[in-house]
Amino acid sequence: KQEVTQIPAALSVPEGENLVLNCSFTDSAIYNLQWFRQDPGKGLTSLLLIQSSQREQTSGRLNASLDKSSGRSTLYIAASQPGDSATYLCAVDNNNDMRFGAGTRLTVKP
Amino acid sequence: DGGITQSPKYLFRKEGQNVTLSCEQNLNHDAMYWYRQDPGQGLRLIYYSQIVNDFQKGDIAEGYSVSREKKESFPLTVTSAQKNPTAFYLCASSIAGSGYTFGSGTRLTVV
Repeated sequence: KQEVTQIPAALSVPEGENLVLNCSFTDSAIYNLQWFRQDPGKGLTSLLLIQSSQREQTSGRLNASLDKSSGRSTLYIAASQPGDSATYLCAVDNNNDMRFGAGTRLTVKP
Repeated sequence: DGGITQSPKYLFRKEGQNVTLSCEQNLNHDAMYWYRQDPGQGLRLIYYSQIVNDFQKGDIAEGYSVSREKKESFPLTVTSAQKNPTAFYLCASSIAGSGYTFGSGTRLTVV
């Protein structure tokens, strides 16, 4: 059974810093990996989707990488802003069986 | 705009009562899912459906039931057999290779 771990559980940084969120998974036979953002009391918003054949995806200040062989993904956020404060969830899809990490709660201080 | 609509946003259940959470999508996605989220925990899969008139139990299906009579709709009923139903419930849909799209959630509270 796929297990997904996110480190750290919480992170607080000053505005303007670049930061990296980590995600690891135990079964490398994945279809894709997806990063989500969740604001308090809200649903999940998809940030980036990386197919199993891809190494990275970029959207604006966000860059996500995937290393299937080592079972790792990172989400890089450049020039962080207070509006980036949220919980970030990593999810791994093994053929319509999506497994989620517990998330990293990010706080960006003005 | 296409998306997933969950209703209601807040729901209160009395002891021994069944309640139904609605999930509707207009994305033409084949698969739909229900997840439960508790504070400090990851999402846990309750039920999923890959085609109309078929659905499968997830990791925590006890005390829940679903139906999939239409492609667009996947309602979740929380029955009186679910002893700890207070949680945030999320519905999602997907189509091959597209990743998952989530609704805005329903917060269920037992009163």
